[in-house]
Amino acid sequence: TQLLEQSPQFLSIQEGENLTVYCNSSSVFSSLQWYRQEPGEGPVLLVTVVTGGEVKKLKRLTFQFGDARKDSSLHITAAQPGDTGLYLCAGRNAGGTSYGKLTFGQGTILTVHP
Amino acid sequence: DAGVTQSPTHLIKTRGQHVTLRCSPISGHKSVSWYQQVLGQGPQFIFQYYEKEERGRGNFPDRFSARQFPNYSSELNVNALLLGDSALYLCASTRDWVANTIYFGEGSWLTVV
Repeated sequence: TQLLEQSPQFLSIQEGENLTVYCNSSSVFSSLQWYRQEPGEGPVLLVTVVTGGEVKKLKRLTFQFGDARKDSSLHITAAQPGDTGLYLCAGRNAGGTSYGKLTFGQGTILTVHP
Repeated sequence: DAGVTQSPTHLIKTRGQHVTLRCSPISGHKSVSWYQQVLGQGPQFIFQYYEKEERGRGNFPDRFSARQFPNYSSELNVNALLLGDSALYLCASTRDWVANTIYFGEGSWLTVV
């Protein structure tokens, strides 16, 4: 069974601070996605990383995929109240009978105070 | 183009009843997956369909079933509803079953009383 350990589970910071969210697994994934989810809505795709060691930047968000494709991180610079939400990492199966399956982490609830 | 659309958005059912949830993928996408998200947790994989065939199944009881139609839309059926089936049911759409970019719909909130 593939597992993704996401940490921290809760994060409460002040506007302007930096933060990092981590996703770790003992399993290899073909790709890893990061989503943001608002209450009562579906997850919205932020980024997909595919290559080991890959780094992608989306404005103030920086995403990194580990060299071995087992872990990933999301770094937010100068957080703003609009960044508040649930952040989910999800790894895509690298093979087997459920190739397209996404394994999700538990999520990180981020609150940015003005 | 419209994104992934799901219906209904909210529904309340009684224990023992049956429910059908519907999903239309993004235009041009041929694969649909279903996920269950219980409050406070990440989504859990239920099924994946591609070209009307089941390509993957998660660890859910046989009360859960799904199908995909020729127009690539999909239905998720749950029989003999239990209180624990109360959750947000998410449909995900991909171009094909190996595509890395996966988009989710808004979900269907199911409450079982």
